[in-house]
Amino acid sequence: QKEVEQNSGPLSVPEGAIASLNCTYSDRGSQSFFWYRQYSGKSPELIMSIYSNGDKEDGRFTAQLNKASQYVSLLIRDSQPSDSATYLCAVQGGYQKVTFGIGTKLQVIP
Amino acid sequence: DTEVTQTPKHLVMGMTNKKSLKCEQHMGHRAMYWYKQKAKKPPELMFVYSYEKLSINESVPSRFSPECPNSSLLNLHLHALQPEDSALYLCASSPRDGAPSYEQYFGPGTRLTVT
Repeated sequence: QKEVEQNSGPLSVPEGAIASLNCTYSDRGSQSFFWYRQYSGKSPELIMSIYSNGDKEDGRFTAQLNKASQYVSLLIRDSQPSDSATYLCAVQGGYQKVTFGIGTKLQVIP
Repeated sequence: DTEVTQTPKHLVMGMTNKKSLKCEQHMGHRAMYWYKQKAKKPPELMFVYSYEKLSINESVPSRFSPECPNSSLLNLHLHALQPEDSALYLCASSPRDGAPSYEQYFGPGTRLTVT
């Protein structure tokens, strides 16, 4: 069983729509959860971190965490073509160790 | 300054060469990481330095040798690499050494090609 699972996509959404990206994880003891954005050929960029159940909003981004269901998601409102990238879910799975999912490729269609 | 720098940006080396990758951060972060990323795959953790001491080695072959000269610098020495080692090598740093935050900030990476 993979430690962090994501649908690799691509997920295609029209410009202005809400993009919903999902991630599940296997380690019930995980405490820290992150979303990174990675453009093709570039390095990952941290866009959201979340540590407690519920929603966390930052601009057009909302991260949602449900520890009971071992589920974390990222919503991108008013999606723009510049949001087209691969979104990596990352979970702290042990001391100092963060495990990344395979990433979901998002395509925002103008 | 929230920047992690890496040099070189690109590196081509033969299997008998010795080279080094360099990483630097001036954010006062106390943990630094090396990752390897192949195309269409997630970053894979190689090494973690915490307060300048190696704290995690993810069973990486000995042809990769990390070094942390001080809290701002992290090197990765390469020797006798194989073509399958060709990848994007990412350095990252994080401000805290411990839960709840392991927010990692990545450098731009070094694209390594082994011929």
